[in-house]
Amino acid sequence: KAGVTQTPRYLIKTRGQQVTLSCSPISGHRSVSWYQQTPGQGLQFLFEYFSETQRNKGNFPGRFSGRQFSNSRSEMNVSTLELGDSALYLCASSYRLAGNTDTQYFGPGTRLTVL
Amino acid sequence: QQQVKQSPQSLIVQKGGISIINCAYENTAFDYFPWYQQFPGKGPALLIAIRPDVSEKKEGRFTISFNKSAKQFSLHIMDSQPGDSATYFCAAGSTVTSGTYKYIFGTGTRLKVLA
Repeated sequence: KAGVTQTPRYLIKTRGQQVTLSCSPISGHRSVSWYQQTPGQGLQFLFEYFSETQRNKGNFPGRFSGRQFSNSRSEMNVSTLELGDSALYLCASSYRLAGNTDTQYFGPGTRLTVL
Repeated sequence: QQQVKQSPQSLIVQKGGISIINCAYENTAFDYFPWYQQFPGKGPALLIAIRPDVSEKKEGRFTISFNKSAKQFSLHIMDSQPGDSATYFCAAGSTVTSGTYKYIFGTGTRLKVLA
């Protein structure tokens, strides 16, 4: 099985712009979670989508949003970029049986640099 | 209560030595504890995981020790090799009020194994 794929791998944007990141989960996986990874904060949970519905949300401002399509692919959007948004954005997928523990598998991430 | 505290922040070990990374949690609702290994430029990869009904799990050179009463768990890397040099993250998962599952990650430990 192919792993989790994320595109693009690298992005450079300027303050005030917006960006859209894409994630394709492992085939058959229905849950997609997004994380922001920075050297000082580690992995911070952004949100999770399951069957096209946002199920969980972390403590990030409304500038961060996402969606999931019927084929489980997910996109994450950040509007009005700030310097502090520079980070590695990771996508993780899992099969997600309701109410059960479920291992997450991470993609390689998208490195976003905001100038 | 949702935090997972990981220590040390960085660790230097001689080749052949034992690397030990510790994590502590407070929320007794956590019921799944995975460890991830991350190399530079890559996403985290699942290394080994444990559930609280066992006190130890071993896979090759990697062992998780779990102390439910102390709410602590640790990763032991036996016969550490230079190829083990990476950042290691502990995590704790639990079912949240929405009925889905959520992970909290430790802040990571940067391990360097000297040849």
